[in-house]
Amino acid sequence: NAGVTQTPKFRVLKTGQSMTLLCAQDMNHEYMYWYRQDPGMGLRLIHYSVGEGTTAKGEVPDGYNVSRLKKQNFLLGLESAAPSQTSVYFCASSYSKARGGIQPQHFGDGTRLSIL
Amino acid sequence: GQSLEQPSEVTAVEGAIVQINCTYQTSGFYGLSWYQQHDGGAPTFLSYNGLDGLEETGRFSSFLSRSDSYGYLLLQELQMKDSASYFCAVRPGNQGGKLIFGQGTELSVKP
Repeated sequence: NAGVTQTPKFRVLKTGQSMTLLCAQDMNHEYMYWYRQDPGMGLRLIHYSVGEGTTAKGEVPDGYNVSRLKKQNFLLGLESAAPSQTSVYFCASSYSKARGGIQPQHFGDGTRLSIL
Repeated sequence: GQSLEQPSEVTAVEGAIVQINCTYQTSGFYGLSWYQQHDGGAPTFLSYNGLDGLEETGRFSSFLSRSDSYGYLLLQELQMKDSASYFCAVRPGNQGGKLIFGQGTELSVKP
């Protein structure tokens, strides 16, 4: 049982390049999320999905796109990378219904992305 | 706007008790959660308060006062392995399980 798996773990891009970050979960969670974390800051929600085929904007969606074609996968795309997108990206997933009043999010290990 | 405030750093000694406070201002409120993050790794869920009062899980307890928009995480019998960043997070609405995170408190446990 791997939980939430993110690929790649590290990547360096040049300004203007594009790439896709992959997130896969094997817990049959309905909800999935993409966050970015910058030094000294908390996690900021980029986009999220409440189910296969649905996505919605979070706090900081500009410059990113997402897709959820399969329940277990949530993809984050950068169409034209900018230095301001240098960050650590975390994917998370959760059930749609609280269990015992609790609905924790389960996080992957992160993707460290540098844009030069 | 929506904001959460927590101290940026806390230092304590092994075996002591430490309290990390969190105050929030959000447009809605469906509960306060706490997450732990070691060395920039995957954040892990610690506790949740949906109603006022104290929730206890082993050495960790979390408290919520909705009238004061305030909560805290209490760590007892501190161990070196508790050195980590701790984030409070508010669920502002009943849609999509979204969380708004505080900036985190870096806890250093000294021998």
